[in-house]
Amino acid sequence: DAMVIQNPRYQVTQFGKPVTLSCSQTLNHNVMYWYQQKSSQAPKLLFHYYDKDFNNEADTPDNFQSRRPNTSFCFLDIRSPGLGDAAMYLCATSTLGGTYEQYFGPGTRLTVT
Amino acid sequence: QKEVEQDPGPLSVPEGAIVSLNCTYSNSAFQYFMWYRQYSRKGPELLMYTYSSGNKEDGRFTAQVDKSSKYISLFIRDSQPSDSATYLCAIGNNDMRFGAGTRLTVKP
Repeated sequence: DAMVIQNPRYQVTQFGKPVTLSCSQTLNHNVMYWYQQKSSQAPKLLFHYYDKDFNNEADTPDNFQSRRPNTSFCFLDIRSPGLGDAAMYLCATSTLGGTYEQYFGPGTRLTVT
Repeated sequence: QKEVEQDPGPLSVPEGAIVSLNCTYSNSAFQYFMWYRQYSRKGPELLMYTYSSGNKEDGRFTAQVDKSSKYISLFIRDSQPSDSATYLCAIGNNDMRFGAGTRLTVKP
């Protein structure tokens, strides 16, 4: 089945220790998104890619970076995680002409100790 | 004012009840109205969506859009315990704005 896969599902990191979350997709979608979702809050868009064209949201902290080496994979790097970065990180994909219809992975729950 | 507002609940109903979930939005230019279901500690799953206005039905689920009031609804008929989840609306055109989600519990 075509899907969006996120690894790991649970990640524990120490305050200030860099961490990388990964996302892969078999849907062959052009657009990939990274969201941050805290408890009982709406998913907050961090950035997205139209193919390799990177689009950063204005209020995404510099601490968050992303890479998309090919169509299938996308990475979220948190350079110096703070306690406030503990959250669920969601990867999503869509077609270029259907950005309203996004398909989500299961998420990575990040804990910062 | 947030672009999309959604009552976080929680909402608790007995099995078999009709559930009504709602969102309001501020931008009358928005054309796509999505509903996602999110089980605990999982990613959102697209349930259904409506383009522009009107109703859409899929099994026990009905999505309604009232553009004059900038108000959308998701109705669940004959609710089941397996419907217990958080329901998120997402509204927009190309850039979707998500509501915070309404947590629903259906009790057997």
